[in-house]
Amino acid sequence: KQEVTQIPAALSVPEGENLVLNCSFTDSAIYNLQWFRQDPGKGLTSLLLIQSSQREQTSGRLNASLDKSSGRSTLYIAASQPGDSATYLCAVDYGQNFVFGPGTRLSVLP
Amino acid sequence: GAVVSQHPSWVICKSGTSVKIECRSLDFQATTMFWYRQFPKQSLMLMATSNEGSKATYEQGVEKDKFLINHASLTLSTLTVTSAHPEDSSFYICSANPLTRTSPQETQYFGPGTRLLVL
Repeated sequence: KQEVTQIPAALSVPEGENLVLNCSFTDSAIYNLQWFRQDPGKGLTSLLLIQSSQREQTSGRLNASLDKSSGRSTLYIAASQPGDSATYLCAVDYGQNFVFGPGTRLSVLP
Repeated sequence: GAVVSQHPSWVICKSGTSVKIECRSLDFQATTMFWYRQFPKQSLMLMATSNEGSKATYEQGVEKDKFLINHASLTLSTLTVTSAHPEDSSFYICSANPLTRTSPQETQYFGPGTRLLVL
């Protein structure tokens, strides 16, 4: 069964801290892995997409890594800001379907 | 980039009524569209896979007679919540799988979501 888990479920940090969000998946036969941001009441915003052949992707203060063999991905957020407060979802693309993690709720305190 | 739209973006209805949600791929064709549901503070869960010209495939636990899916064309799929009840209140998101992936970077495209509140 294809499952995706995320740790921690919730995280509250003061502004300026660097933080790491973790994602684990049971089936390593992935097409790609994607990190999304979801603000309350809003749809999904794609942050980073990592192909199965890649090890990491970077966009601004965000860096995502992928270790397919161990079934893990991490999202690193540098110098966090209050505007980063949202739910971060990890989603694994198996080619014909996505499997989403439960998300990590991030609160960055000013 | 590819765009998927959903209509309406939010809807409030009375218990017992039916609500139709549209999902459109605006600039590409999609033989496959997916419908997800998200309850508060929970992750997105796949409800069904919508295939153009054929019956939808429903995930375990999703009532096909309650959530009617029609994929009449390569750019439109509709989800109808029949006889809606308060427990159906949720955030519904669709995604579309391009007919052909033009590059390894191409993936599914997600709609903005529809928030349903059943009173």
